[in-house]
Order: sequence, then C-alpha cells, then structure tokens
Amino acid sequence: NAGVTQTPKFRILKIGQSMTLQCAQDMNHNYMYWYRQDPGMGLKLIYYSVGAGITDKGEVPNGYNVSRSTTEDFPLRLELAAPSQTSVYFCASSPSREADTQYFGPGTRLTVL
Amino acid sequence: RKEVEQDPGPFNVPEGATVAFNCTYSNSASQSFFWYRQDCRKEPKLLMSVYSSGNEDGRFTAQLNRASQYISLLIRDSKLSDSATYLCVVNGNSGNTPLVFGKGTRLSVIA
Repeated sequence: NAGVTQTPKFRILKIGQSMTLQCAQDMNHNYMYWYRQDPGMGLKLIYYSVGAGITDKGEVPNGYNVSRSTTEDFPLRLELAAPSQTSVYFCASSPSREADTQYFGPGTRLTVL
Repeated sequence: RKEVEQDPGPFNVPEGATVAFNCTYSNSASQSFFWYRQDCRKEPKLLMSVYSSGNEDGRFTAQLNRASQYISLLIRDSKLSDSATYLCVVNGNSGNTPLVFGKGTRLSVIA
C-alpha cells in the first residue's frame, strides 16, 4: 500500500512552459486535493475532487487545471508557468471531504525561472 | 480575523520540557479539528484529531474550547524528535475550502 504518490519530486521550468504534476493514490479514496505551500506560509487549496469526473476550484485555482478520469489519479496541469507558481505542491486524499483525515503525498518542488 | 491563526514561534525548549501551543479559528460552525505535524521539507502528517471533550495520545494532549474558538496542543516531556512545525487544521466555512490549515508553529527541542 503506497498511499499517495507524486511525481516528479523536483522540477525547474522556464517561464511560459507547461507541465503536469502527477498524483496517484491506492487507498480507494473518493476525495483528492491539490495544495501549494509557499515558504513560511500555510497550505492553500488549488483544486479538489469528490470523485471521478468531478472537480471544483479551491482558494487559488488561477493558472492551473485538473482532471479526474479515475478514482486513483488526479493530475495537476500548469499552463504558461510563471515565477509566482514557484512553490511546493502537495496532493492529498481522504475518504470524505471535511470530517476525515487527509493523507498527503511527499510533494513536488517546482521552480519557475 | 483570519480563519485559523497560530503563533509562528519558534518555540525553543529543552528536552523534557512541557510546551503548549494555541490556535484560534474564526468559524463558529466548524466541526472538525486536527493537529498535523510537518517536518522540514516533508509533507504534513496527522498528529491527532481534537475532540470536544479533549483527548490524549501518549505525551500529547489536545483541548477544544468552542466558546472561545480555540484549540490547544500540549506536549509533555519533549523529545528531540518532536522538533517540527505543528499545523492547526479546521474544516472551512465555505464550500470550496474543505479544511483550512494554519501557517504552523515551529518547535525546536534542544539537548
């Protein structure tokens, strides 16, 4: 049982490039989340999903897109990367939305130069 | 008032000390409360849930005061391995923020 996995661990992008951050979970959780964490700051929710085929915006969705075609996978797409998107990105999953514990992946450290 | 507020610290304490952190939240309708722990350059991990009657897990005790809208975490007999950032987490007050994470309180336990 691997839990929540994320790839890549590190990435450096040039301004204007695009990339997809991968997230997968093997716990059969319905709910999945993407957060970003800037240095010294709390986690900010980017997008979340309550099940395959359903996604919704979080607090800071601009510049990102997501899809959820399966229960297991929840990729995050960055189009036209900007320096403001330099951050650590965490994916998480939970059995339900509010009351349950969220389980986090190890994170992706992204730098946009 | 911010949704979840914590003293950022750092709290520097000697091994064996008792240390307490507080956290205040703004949404009086919040129902779910947690403390997470985040080690440097690692992902957050659940430390413990916080129940209305208060709860204890070994050296850790969590308390909830709904009237004053604050949550506390008490760590007894601090160990070097307790050094980390402790995140206060509360379920959000709007449909697009399932959980709201505080910025965390940094603890350093010194030998």
